[in-house]
Amino acid sequence: DQQVKQNSPSLSVQEGRISILNCDYTNSMFDYFLWYKKYPAEGPTFLISISSIKDKNEDGRFTVFLNKSAKHLSLHIVPSQPGDSAVYFCAATINTGTASKLTFGTGTRLQVTL
Amino acid sequence: GAVVSQHPSRVICKSGTSVKIECRSLDFQATTMFWYRQFPKQSLMLMATSNEGSKATYEQGVEKDKFLINHASLTLSTLTVTSAHPEDSSFYICSAKPPGLFTYEQYFGPGTRLTVT
Repeated sequence: DQQVKQNSPSLSVQEGRISILNCDYTNSMFDYFLWYKKYPAEGPTFLISISSIKDKNEDGRFTVFLNKSAKHLSLHIVPSQPGDSAVYFCAATINTGTASKLTFGTGTRLQVTL
Repeated sequence: GAVVSQHPSRVICKSGTSVKIECRSLDFQATTMFWYRQFPKQSLMLMATSNEGSKATYEQGVEKDKFLINHASLTLSTLTVTSAHPEDSSFYICSAKPPGLFTYEQYFGPGTRLTVT
């Protein structure tokens, strides 16, 4: 049962353009969402997050949008740079007050071309 | 800040042997660490949650007697794959969560590639 889904396994974007990565979830109990970037043979690196009480969070070139009614979030990268080429995972969690387990999506491989 | 290391980065072992992987939080104390497994081109699957000073909580389908987890201190958790089999070959990644009720981010180690021959 894949509770967090990234339906696009790959995305190719030209340098300087906007990259939009999408993520859908099914569990309405999720109350915090995160995006991670991962290079091959390395651990994921935290990028940006958003609480379920917000609908937008921005950090430099990265913006995450959350649509709770649609159970959908997206990561916008603008402008895209070649160094952004990596696999991007969205993750969701439920705050249990102690440890928060992350449920990851299947990832989207972003390729930023020159 | 928020650096997590893993050792070794790569290990090859023979079937039937045991392998220990270390996960350390270098610049913060982590009361909770997580162990994930990633198969090629697949998502990270949580194996277990490790709490300092208590028994680990394993996800459904993960054999606790095969994947031994010890969270001996606030900066160190170890995963021991016992009696390894070729199907245990995978990329194992740990993460550490800084303390705080409203801290959701986890910081990941670089991963350990295990190959069982």
